[in-house]
Amino acid sequence: QSVLSQPPSASGTPGQRVTISCSGSNSNIGRDYVFWYQKLPGTAPKLLIHRNNQRPSGVPDRFSGSKSGTSASLAISGLRSEDEADYYCSAWDDRLSAVVFGGGTKLTVL
Amino acid sequence: QITLKESGPTLVKPTETLMLTCTFSGFSLSTTAVGVGWFRQPPGKALEWLALIYWNGDKRYSPSLKSRLSITKDTSKNQVVLTMTNMDPVDTATYYCAHDCSSPSCSEQGFAYWGQGTLITVSS
Repeated sequence: QSVLSQPPSASGTPGQRVTISCSGSNSNIGRDYVFWYQKLPGTAPKLLIHRNNQRPSGVPDRFSGSKSGTSASLAISGLRSEDEADYYCSAWDDRLSAVVFGGGTKLTVL
Repeated sequence: QITLKESGPTLVKPTETLMLTCTFSGFSLSTTAVGVGWFRQPPGKALEWLALIYWNGDKRYSPSLKSRLSITKDTSKNQVVLTMTNMDPVDTATYYCAHDCSSPSCSEQGFAYWGQGTLITVSS
């Protein structure tokens, strides 16, 4: 069971906007940055969002992150077929002294 | 250019000890705020963090695996080694190492650079 909670699946049609939620607690999301990773089958995870809402260079601005209290969300606008992947939220947990992840959300582009 | 690459056995037997090496380039593990982490993903399952070692030698471990893990660094060789004892078939997974930068001065915090991963199968 993951420390951070994500919905197991999400879906949308090309061009749509989808959001993926991530729920934590005061010992992780509530007190530290949230990170989002994209995982395609057979490839290494890719950092999509750091410091809650910052995009690394090369990540399209279709991807955006936000955080409020002990929850965070990843939004993908202008959905494209290549966005079909697993998405993971992550944060540092101060109580556990550990990096924690959500269980991942499988995004399907219909 | 930052690169990382995992190496180790592809097959280990139950109860054996796994030793994985992460060899990296493009950064130094003696630079303030830099760290190297290990992760794994079992087939069809979620990504899991295992361990992290910082530039100053501080180490952190997954609470659920702490008793089985050891992480060390060799700054002169640009390598980080993860050891996992008492391997079990449930430990079959792709293992990754990644570069971490934890300072506000980093252009990108978090694990921005990853190795390609190495599949470790635990079977007799």
